[in-house]
Amino acid sequence: RKEVEQDPGPFNVPEGATVAFNCTYSNSASQSFFWYRQDCRKEPKLLMSVYSSGNEDGRFTAQLNRASQYISLLIRDSKLSDSATYLCAVNEFGGYNKLIFGAGTRLAVHP
Amino acid sequence: NAGVTQTPKFQVLKTGQSMTLQCAQDMNHEYMSWYRQDPGMGLRLIHYSVGAGITDQGEVPNGYNVSRSTTEDFPLRLLSAAPSQTSVYFCASSYHPGKNTEAFFGQGTRLTVV
Repeated sequence: RKEVEQDPGPFNVPEGATVAFNCTYSNSASQSFFWYRQDCRKEPKLLMSVYSSGNEDGRFTAQLNRASQYISLLIRDSKLSDSATYLCAVNEFGGYNKLIFGAGTRLAVHP
Repeated sequence: NAGVTQTPKFQVLKTGQSMTLQCAQDMNHEYMSWYRQDPGMGLRLIHYSVGAGITDQGEVPNGYNVSRSTTEDFPLRLLSAAPSQTSVYFCASSYHPGKNTEAFFGQGTRLTVV
């Protein structure tokens, strides 16, 4: 089983829609959680960190559920420019810390 | 501001050839890592380093070697390229992986092994 799992999508939504992505992780000792955005043929860039109490940045809301070991990303009022792949990432603690990514969820927003 | 610089951007290798993918960062980050990205697989961690002289294996280390002699540089070596190593390779750096700090990525190296 992959350590970090995401629904690969694609999610095809109209402009203005609300869309939610989930990501599950297997290592219960994980401490840090992130959402990255990757545009086609580009490098990933940090969208937002995910805090225990949940956090919001404009139209984006991230939540963490430690009991069920998943994180979520909610995008409200989708824009065409939100079309991208969204990758969740989990910092796994072991001998050394390492950042593990999910396979990514592709979002396509259409007019 | 350079950030994370990867070279080359594109490379075609023949099976059995060796090469080194270069990665350099100018942010004085301790943590650096290499990922490969294949369709439908997301980013898979190859090797990572928590500081000069310290490296460790990630999820898919076979066929790759790394070393970290300086804080700035973290090269990835393919000793004998195989078609299965055709992929996009990303180098990343961050101040510290254990806190909510951002990982910065290079622009990637697109490698084809024929």
